[in-house]
Amino acid sequence: DAGVTQSPTHLIKTRGQQVTLRCSPKSGHDTVSWYQQALGQGPQFIFQYYEEEERQRGNFPDRFSGHQFPNYSSELNVNALLLGDSALYLCASSWLDRDSYNEQFFGPGTRLTVL
Amino acid sequence: KQEVTQIPAALSVPEGENLVLNCSFTDSAIYNLQWFRQDPGKGLTSLLLIQSSQREQTSGRLNASLDKSSGRSTLYIAASQPGDSATYLCAVPPGRGSTLGRLYFGRGTQLTVWP
Repeated sequence: DAGVTQSPTHLIKTRGQQVTLRCSPKSGHDTVSWYQQALGQGPQFIFQYYEEEERQRGNFPDRFSGHQFPNYSSELNVNALLLGDSALYLCASSWLDRDSYNEQFFGPGTRLTVL
Repeated sequence: KQEVTQIPAALSVPEGENLVLNCSFTDSAIYNLQWFRQDPGKGLTSLLLIQSSQREQTSGRLNASLDKSSGRSTLYIAASQPGDSATYLCAVPPGRGSTLGRLYFGRGTQLTVWP
């Protein structure tokens, strides 16, 4: 079991550009969540995808968008990059059980630097 | 909205000490609580998951307790080692019995264990 994988590992962009980050969930998981972690802070929830739809969203602008594919993998897109978007972007996967709350597993993250 | 606080923010101890890391949260109607470890610039590794019906969970030298009524969890690390040096994060789902996928994180406790 490869666990949660993310690509790329590092990325450098300039202000105004667009970026796409990718995530493959742990085997058997159907739900993907994305988090942003600024330096020295705890991760902040961006959004969650289940059944190829955005199910819940945190306090992030529309510049942040995503997609989930039929194989449960997911992409995070950020448009019109700002310096403040520089952060570690984490993907987490889980299995959605509406009667309980399942453990979330995180990937290694993508370090985005905006210059 | 769930708010998570971790105390202390940083801890520096000699090898061999027994440690206590604290986490508090504002909405106690949670399904579970997770403790994570994060090495610098890396993703999150799940250490322990405590279900709301449990009072504690153990894994090796780690023991986590949960007191839902007071909105507190404690992570005990026995016989600390330099390899335990990392940031430890506490995370809870939304309260009010929600099973939706987001986690709320504290800012973490940065632990340094010196030989």
